Amino acid sequence: GDSVTQMEGPVTLSEEAFLTINCTYTATGYPSLFWYVQYPGEGLQLLLKATKADDKGSNKGFEATYRKETTSFHLEKGSVQVSDSAVYFCALPTGGGNKLTFGTGTQLKVEL
Amino acid sequence: DTAVSQTPKYLVTQMGNDKSIKCEQNLGHDTMYWYKQDSKKFLKIMFSYNNKELIINETVPNRFSPKSPDKAHLNLHINSLELGDSAVYFCASSQEVYNEQFFGPGTRLTVL
Repeated sequence: GDSVTQMEGPVTLSEEAFLTINCTYTATGYPSLFWYVQYPGEGLQLLLKATKADDKGSNKGFEATYRKETTSFHLEKGSVQVSDSAVYFCALPTGGGNKLTFGTGTQLKVEL
Repeated sequence: DTAVSQTPKYLVTQMGNDKSIKCEQNLGHDTMYWYKQDSKKFLKIMFSYNNKELIINETVPNRFSPKSPDKAHLNLHINSLELGDSAVYFCASSQEVYNEQFFGPGTRLTVL
């Protein structure tokens, strides 16, 4: 079935470092792809999305490109801040679009 | 204005008790969901409702019973609580299937 594989954390970076969190997917067709972020003690927020192949989603300095050739949707940010410390989830709609299937989540910790 | 709200935020109870979690969305969405997040942050769908009709029941024990009195509400009732039910429960909603989902702040359930 459709699934998402996400790199394991935790990832610890210094402020202003470059961030990549890998996400690959297995899907029938070309569903939308999402990155969600969960700050400590909070719910999930949509960070960015891409609805078709070659689309680039971007928000708050984060970017991810929907690449069907490599079935990937890697999350990147050029310069992370302490406030980016959170858990990041890659996700895609499955079950006829009636649910989201999430990756395992990647915890990011940014230090001064 | 809160888009998806849940009550209570924290719930501590004894094994064997019955408890309910309420969810409301003011986004005018047709589809609502319940997800469970375990201690390792893994997220898994429990139920999906569209226009008050159950669409997905993801092999959840019968002790869990969702109820949707109208499109804006999806409540979760849990009977005979067990230690393994301890988790964070998230409600979510979306306008249509395959679209991004909007999440509530979560309810942290602790069963003693």
